[in-house]
Amino acid sequence: GAVVSQHPSRVICKSGTSVKIECRSLDFQATTMFWYRQFPKQSLMLMATSNEGSKATYEQGVEKDKFLINHASLTLSTLTVTSAHPEDSSFYICSAAPDGAEKLFFGSGTQLSVL
Amino acid sequence: GNSVTQMEGPVTLSEEAFLTINCTYTATGYPSLFWYVQYPGEGLQLLLKATKADDKGSNKGFEATYRKETTSFHLEKGSVQVSDSAVYFCALAGGTSYGKLTFGQGTILTVHP
Repeated sequence: GAVVSQHPSRVICKSGTSVKIECRSLDFQATTMFWYRQFPKQSLMLMATSNEGSKATYEQGVEKDKFLINHASLTLSTLTVTSAHPEDSSFYICSAAPDGAEKLFFGSGTQLSVL
Repeated sequence: GNSVTQMEGPVTLSEEAFLTINCTYTATGYPSLFWYVQYPGEGLQLLLKATKADDKGSNKGFEATYRKETTSFHLEKGSVQVSDSAVYFCALAGGTSYGKLTFGQGTILTVHP
């Protein structure tokens, strides 16, 4: 089946640094990928829709300058948390679907801890 | 806006017990409904789905029926196994974008031998 690889699985960083998270579709092309965020004991919240070759679409309340998304190819989207602060600590998950399909595949997530 | 409410967990059962995880939703129009499962250390996987009222999704012994009159999509399994221990998420997709999912908060299920 289709696989979405997310890297790193866990990252710890100091406050003020930037962190990049990669999401790759390993065996299919995905024009669109999705980034979610999950707080402890809460549901996943859609942050943004990543579109290959164009700007990402952010959900209401998500700071686009804080969470930079780059979808440079049909198999790779990156989320960069800029100038991270402790309140950005969370579990980030990406998802993608093969073009033309309506089944989503999820990455295994990235646990970000900002000290 | 859209919302999904799941029964709070954690849920702890003995092997071969009956499982129900309640899920209700609020949405405009006719959303598609999903159950996702996340096994320890793995990503979310689609467990089953239903796209219209009265549809029953089923997979791996799990079932859920799209009930429009009660806006519910409860997950059931007749006899759980230890390997079913995981976090279960109810979700809906409204409108035309299947990727923009609204999730419930997740229910942790632990099955003991």
